[in-house]
Amino acid sequence: DTGVSQNPRHKITKRGQNVTFRCDPISEHNRLYWYRQTLGQGPEFLTYFQNEAQLEKSRLLSDRFSAERPKGSFSTLEIQRTEQGDSAMYLCASSLTAGAYTGELFFGEGSRLTVL
Amino acid sequence: DQQVKQNSPSLSVQEGRISILNCDYTNSMFDYFLWYKKYPAEGPTFLISISSIKDKNEDGRFTVFLNKSAKHLSLHIVPSQPGDSAVYFCAASITGNQFYFGTGTSLTVIP
Repeated sequence: DTGVSQNPRHKITKRGQNVTFRCDPISEHNRLYWYRQTLGQGPEFLTYFQNEAQLEKSRLLSDRFSAERPKGSFSTLEIQRTEQGDSAMYLCASSLTAGAYTGELFFGEGSRLTVL
Repeated sequence: DQQVKQNSPSLSVQEGRISILNCDYTNSMFDYFLWYKKYPAEGPTFLISISSIKDKNEDGRFTVFLNKSAKHLSLHIVPSQPGDSAVYFCAASITGNQFYFGTGTSLTVIP
């Protein structure tokens, strides 16, 4: 399967712990996006990368959140000192630059975070 | 600040009939509009898009209409099939960088 892969699929943690999610995009895609989705809402933009460069960050991405994409391949999203409000589905998507313009993002299945 | 709105959380349609899903937006700078479909336990899947320079785009059973003056777009599915039952998200972007999604409409096609 050469789609977008996210790990782990589900993470349960206690408040105050750190968590890290990994996203492996489609191999030739140079853009990678992170979104967050809570119940009853649509995906909310967090950040995106063009190759290894992080080009934009949402105000939703507080200083407890950090994302990296070393070497422009896989990406990690780390949440430090988790809070119950961080409980959500974290979605990763990738695209080619041209595809991004037309909205053809390819999403992974998401990583669900539950903070107790 | 919800820039893309889907005011109908759910819609039920008989198989074979037309499904019309609606979406409104507030930002006149949006230049691309999209529809995504999402099944349970899966990520959203791109369905169809339209540039702001067009007012209609068709792909098989799916047609998206854009009314810029009303800041409104709609997705028509004809004929509707049970496999179309899913949550549909409307989204918009400015130059393909950040995408703004609506809250989704859950479509149920009744056999």
